[in-house]
Amino acid sequence: DQQVKQNSPSLSVQEGRISILNCDYTNSMFDYFLWYKKYPAEGPTFLISISSIKDKNEDGRFTVFLNKSAKHLSLHIVPSQPGDSAVYFCAARILNTNAGKSTFGDGTTLTVKP
Amino acid sequence: DTEVTQTPKHLVMGMTNKKSLKCEQHMGHRAMYWYKQKAKKPPELMFVYSYEKLSINESVPSRFSPECPNSSLLNLHLHALQPEDSALYLCASSQDPVAPLGSLSYNEQFFGPGTRLTVL
Repeated sequence: DQQVKQNSPSLSVQEGRISILNCDYTNSMFDYFLWYKKYPAEGPTFLISISSIKDKNEDGRFTVFLNKSAKHLSLHIVPSQPGDSAVYFCAARILNTNAGKSTFGDGTTLTVKP
Repeated sequence: DTEVTQTPKHLVMGMTNKKSLKCEQHMGHRAMYWYKQKAKKPPELMFVYSYEKLSINESVPSRFSPECPNSSLLNLHLHALQPEDSALYLCASSQDPVAPLGSLSYNEQFFGPGTRLTVL
């Protein structure tokens, strides 16, 4: 049972436009969500997070939206840049339990075309 | 120093070999993690150390043996591996494994670059 799903394996966007990456989860106990970015031959890098008490968190060009009733979150990148081309992983946690365990989605490969 | 380092970068080993992967962080983090990642798949949690004690073992076969000698170091000892164990092994650390809601940044995991392991 995959508790965190990223249904789009890939996304291609023109430079300067908005990239929207989606993530769905099934476990209503998740209360903290993270996005990681991964370049080839490197480990994932933390990008942005949101707790379940918020519905939006913004950091520069990156905004994460959380819709708890739909169990859905999305990452918006505006404007998209070629350097944003990478694999993006959504992850979910239940805080204060499981000693730091995060459940990851399968990832979405973003390609930003110049 | 905001880095997690891993050695070696690449490792090729036979099924009868014994080898170790090493991970180091000097950020004062008290949680350290081992993940396994296959191509085009998400990182899969193997072990979590919390304050130098093993807190999570995700039913990993005993041919993988973790060790946390101190709060900065994490090892993964490998013995009698199978070809299907070939993968990228990622180490990560975070400030506090069970941080309360008011300290959310403590939950961010910093990943190392990984060790690419090939088992022949």
